[in-house]
Amino acid sequence: GQNIDQPTEMTATEGAIVQINCTYQTSGFNGLFWYQQHAGEAPTFLSYNVLDGLEEKGRFSSFLSRSKGYSYLLLKELQMKDSASYLCAVRDRNTGFQKLVFGTGTRLLVSP
Amino acid sequence: GAGVSQSPSNKVTEKGKDVELRCDPISGHTALYWYRQSLGQGLEFLIYFQGNSAPDKSGLPSDRFSAERTGGSVSTLTIQRTQQEDSAVYLCASSLGGGEKLFFGSGTQLSVL
Repeated sequence: GQNIDQPTEMTATEGAIVQINCTYQTSGFNGLFWYQQHAGEAPTFLSYNVLDGLEEKGRFSSFLSRSKGYSYLLLKELQMKDSASYLCAVRDRNTGFQKLVFGTGTRLLVSP
Repeated sequence: GAGVSQSPSNKVTEKGKDVELRCDPISGHTALYWYRQSLGQGLEFLIYFQGNSAPDKSGLPSDRFSAERTGGSVSTLTIQRTQQEDSAVYLCASSLGGGEKLFFGSGTQLSVL
Protein backbone atom coordinates (compact mmCIF):
# COMPACT_ATOMS: atom_id res chain seq x y z
CA GLY A 1 0.00 0.00 0.00
CA GLN A 2 0.93 3.61 0.20
CA ASN A 3 2.05 5.81 3.07
CA ILE A 4 1.34 9.47 2.50
CA ASP A 5 2.45 12.01 5.08
CA GLN A 6 1.58 15.67 5.35
CA PRO A 7 1.74 18.13 8.24
CA THR A 8 -1.60 18.33 10.03
CA GLU A 9 -1.80 22.08 10.29
CA MET A 10 0.06 25.20 9.19
CA THR A 11 -0.44 28.90 9.75
CA ALA A 12 0.71 31.81 7.63
CA THR A 13 0.08 35.50 7.12
CA GLU A 14 -1.76 37.18 4.28
CA GLY A 15 0.65 38.11 1.49
CA ALA A 16 3.27 35.57 2.56
CA ILE A 17 4.49 32.38 0.89
CA VAL A 18 3.84 28.93 2.34
CA GLN A 19 5.15 25.50 1.34
CA ILE A 20 3.13 22.39 2.16
CA ASN A 21 5.13 19.18 1.99
CA CYS A 22 3.98 15.68 1.14
CA THR A 23 6.06 12.51 1.33
CA TYR A 24 4.89 9.18 0.02
CA GLN A 25 5.94 5.57 -0.36
CA THR A 26 4.58 3.59 -3.28
CA SER A 27 5.68 0.55 -5.24
CA GLY A 28 4.46 1.78 -8.61
CA PHE A 29 4.20 5.56 -8.55
CA ASN A 30 2.15 6.94 -11.41
CA GLY A 31 1.26 10.50 -10.52
CA LEU A 32 0.63 12.89 -7.65
CA PHE A 33 -2.30 15.27 -7.27
CA TRP A 34 -2.99 18.23 -5.01
CA TYR A 35 -6.55 19.16 -4.08
CA GLN A 36 -7.96 22.08 -2.11
CA GLN A 37 -10.90 21.56 0.22
CA HIS A 38 -12.69 24.40 1.99
CA ALA A 39 -14.57 23.42 5.12
CA GLY A 40 -17.84 21.72 4.28
CA GLU A 41 -17.16 21.76 0.55
CA ALA A 42 -16.00 19.36 -2.13
CA PRO A 43 -12.28 18.94 -2.86
CA THR A 44 -11.23 20.76 -6.02
CA PHE A 45 -8.27 19.91 -8.26
CA LEU A 46 -5.18 22.12 -8.02
CA SER A 47 -2.30 20.36 -9.74
CA TYR A 48 -0.88 17.15 -11.16
CA ASN A 49 2.76 16.00 -11.32
CA VAL A 50 4.03 12.81 -12.89
CA LEU A 51 7.55 13.91 -13.90
CA ASP A 52 10.18 15.51 -11.70
CA GLY A 53 10.19 19.27 -11.49
CA LEU A 54 8.05 22.28 -10.86
CA GLU A 55 4.62 22.93 -12.34
CA GLU A 56 3.50 26.54 -12.01
CA LYS A 57 -0.07 27.71 -12.23
CA GLY A 58 -0.64 31.29 -11.15
CA ARG A 59 -0.07 31.74 -7.44
CA PHE A 60 0.19 27.97 -6.93
CA SER A 61 3.12 25.74 -7.87
CA SER A 62 3.72 22.06 -7.26
CA PHE A 63 7.03 20.24 -7.19
CA LEU A 64 7.84 16.55 -7.47
CA SER A 65 10.94 14.46 -6.80
CA ARG A 66 10.21 10.81 -7.58
CA SER A 67 13.56 9.59 -6.29
CA LYS A 68 12.87 11.16 -2.90
CA GLY A 69 9.16 10.35 -2.78
CA TYR A 70 8.53 14.00 -2.11
CA SER A 71 6.27 16.76 -3.32
CA TYR A 72 5.39 20.23 -2.17
CA LEU A 73 2.68 22.73 -2.92
CA LEU A 74 3.83 26.35 -2.90
CA LEU A 75 1.29 29.09 -2.39
CA LYS A 76 2.42 32.66 -3.06
CA GLU A 77 0.82 36.00 -2.16
CA LEU A 78 -1.45 34.30 0.31
CA GLN A 79 -5.03 35.48 0.54
CA MET A 80 -7.57 34.90 3.27
CA LYS A 81 -9.56 32.70 0.90
CA ASP A 82 -6.60 30.29 0.76
CA SER A 83 -7.53 29.10 4.26
CA ALA A 84 -8.51 25.50 3.52
CA SER A 85 -7.26 21.94 3.71
CA TYR A 86 -4.76 20.83 1.08
CA LEU A 87 -4.86 17.17 0.15
CA CYS A 88 -2.00 15.25 -1.42
CA ALA A 89 -3.02 12.14 -3.39
CA VAL A 90 -0.99 9.48 -5.17
CA ARG A 91 -1.80 7.12 -8.00
CA ASP A 92 -0.10 3.72 -7.91
CA ARG A 93 -0.17 1.35 -10.88
CA ASN A 94 0.27 -1.65 -8.59
CA THR A 95 -2.77 -1.00 -6.43
CA GLY A 96 -5.20 0.22 -9.04
CA PHE A 97 -4.24 2.71 -11.69
CA GLN A 98 -7.61 4.37 -11.52
CA LYS A 99 -7.90 5.22 -7.87
CA LEU A 100 -6.20 7.98 -5.92
CA VAL A 101 -4.98 7.37 -2.39
CA PHE A 102 -5.18 10.50 -0.26
CA GLY A 103 -3.15 11.75 2.66
CA THR A 104 -4.96 13.13 5.71
CA GLY A 105 -4.56 16.69 4.45
CA THR A 106 -2.92 19.87 5.75
CA ARG A 107 -5.19 22.50 7.23
CA LEU A 108 -3.85 25.96 6.36
CA LEU A 109 -4.97 28.99 8.31
CA VAL A 110 -4.19 32.38 6.78
CA SER A 111 -4.36 35.30 9.19
CA PRO A 112 -4.48 39.04 8.42
CA GLY B 1 -25.40 18.51 -15.21
CA ALA B 2 -22.68 21.03 -14.63
CA GLY B 3 -21.11 19.19 -11.76
CA VAL B 4 -21.32 16.06 -9.64
CA SER B 5 -24.55 16.02 -7.69
CA GLN B 6 -25.12 14.06 -4.50
CA SER B 7 -28.24 13.52 -2.47
CA PRO B 8 -29.22 13.84 0.23
CA SER B 9 -26.76 16.43 1.49
CA ASN B 10 -27.46 15.35 5.06
CA LYS B 11 -28.86 12.12 6.42
CA VAL B 12 -29.56 11.28 10.04
CA THR B 13 -30.51 7.69 10.75
CA GLU B 14 -30.86 5.30 13.64
CA LYS B 15 -28.43 2.50 14.24
CA GLY B 16 -29.54 -0.63 12.42
CA LYS B 17 -31.42 1.14 9.63
CA ASP B 18 -30.45 0.95 5.95
CA VAL B 19 -29.50 4.06 3.97
CA GLU B 20 -29.09 4.84 0.29
CA LEU B 21 -26.84 7.59 -0.97
CA ARG B 22 -27.12 8.82 -4.54
CA CYS B 23 -24.55 10.24 -6.93
CA ASP B 24 -25.19 11.83 -10.32
CA PRO B 25 -21.85 12.26 -12.12
CA ILE B 26 -20.88 14.77 -14.78
CA SER B 27 -22.48 13.81 -18.08
CA GLY B 28 -20.10 11.78 -20.23
CA HIS B 29 -17.78 10.76 -17.40
CA THR B 30 -17.30 7.01 -17.55
CA ALA B 31 -15.45 6.66 -14.25
CA LEU B 32 -17.15 7.10 -10.88
CA TYR B 33 -15.68 6.81 -7.40
CA TRP B 34 -16.97 6.69 -3.85
CA TYR B 35 -14.81 7.95 -1.00
CA ARG B 36 -15.49 8.34 2.71
CA GLN B 37 -14.12 11.17 4.86
CA SER B 38 -14.29 10.82 8.62
CA LEU B 39 -13.57 13.70 10.99
CA GLY B 40 -9.85 14.39 11.00
CA GLN B 41 -9.15 11.61 8.52
CA GLY B 42 -8.12 11.57 4.90
CA LEU B 43 -10.33 10.49 2.08
CA GLU B 44 -10.77 6.73 2.20
CA PHE B 45 -11.35 4.97 -1.13
CA LEU B 46 -14.43 2.74 -1.21
CA ILE B 47 -15.20 1.67 -4.78
CA TYR B 48 -14.52 2.55 -8.41
CA PHE B 49 -16.85 2.11 -11.39
CA GLN B 50 -15.94 2.09 -15.05
CA GLY B 51 -19.23 2.22 -16.84
CA ASN B 52 -21.61 -0.04 -14.92
CA SER B 53 -18.98 -2.46 -13.68
CA ALA B 54 -16.87 -2.13 -10.53
CA PRO B 55 -13.34 -3.40 -11.22
CA ASP B 56 -12.14 -2.19 -7.84
CA LYS B 57 -14.29 -2.53 -4.75
CA SER B 58 -11.39 -3.18 -2.44
CA GLY B 59 -12.21 -0.29 -0.12
CA LEU B 60 -15.69 -1.37 0.93
CA PRO B 61 -15.26 -1.87 4.69
CA SER B 62 -17.71 -4.74 5.14
CA ASP B 63 -20.45 -6.69 3.40
CA ARG B 64 -22.95 -4.18 4.78
CA PHE B 65 -21.71 -1.80 2.09
CA SER B 66 -22.70 -2.20 -1.55
CA ALA B 67 -22.91 0.02 -4.59
CA GLU B 68 -24.32 -0.12 -8.05
CA ARG B 69 -24.31 2.03 -11.13
CA THR B 70 -26.92 1.96 -13.86
CA GLY B 71 -26.95 3.32 -17.39
CA GLY B 72 -23.33 4.35 -17.01
CA SER B 73 -24.58 7.28 -15.00
CA VAL B 74 -26.24 7.41 -11.58
CA SER B 75 -24.74 5.42 -8.73
CA THR B 76 -26.21 4.38 -5.41
CA LEU B 77 -24.19 3.47 -2.32
CA THR B 78 -26.20 1.38 0.12
CA ILE B 79 -25.25 0.80 3.75
CA GLN B 80 -27.26 -1.90 5.52
CA ARG B 81 -27.73 -2.12 9.27
CA THR B 82 -25.89 1.13 9.85
CA GLN B 83 -23.48 1.42 12.78
CA GLN B 84 -22.24 4.52 14.55
CA GLU B 85 -18.80 4.10 13.02
CA ASP B 86 -20.40 4.58 9.59
CA SER B 87 -20.92 8.26 10.43
CA ALA B 88 -18.86 10.26 7.94
CA VAL B 89 -19.07 12.37 4.82
CA TYR B 90 -19.52 10.19 1.75
CA LEU B 91 -18.04 11.82 -1.33
CA CYS B 92 -18.65 10.84 -4.91
CA ALA B 93 -16.34 11.82 -7.75
CA SER B 94 -16.26 11.28 -11.47
CA SER B 95 -13.64 11.56 -14.18
CA LEU B 96 -13.67 11.40 -17.93
CA GLY B 97 -12.00 8.03 -18.36
CA GLY B 98 -10.50 6.95 -15.07
CA GLY B 99 -7.14 7.95 -13.65
CA GLU B 100 -7.37 11.61 -14.55
CA LYS B 101 -8.30 14.38 -12.19
CA LEU B 102 -11.42 13.78 -10.19
CA PHE B 103 -14.41 16.09 -9.92
CA PHE B 104 -16.05 15.76 -6.53
CA GLY B 105 -19.59 16.28 -5.36
CA SER B 106 -20.33 18.14 -2.13
CA GLY B 107 -20.93 14.90 -0.29
CA THR B 108 -23.55 13.37 1.96
CA GLN B 109 -23.04 13.91 5.68
CA LEU B 110 -24.26 10.69 7.31
CA SER B 111 -24.94 10.66 11.03
CA VAL B 112 -25.87 7.38 12.69
CA LEU B 113 -27.41 7.85 16.13
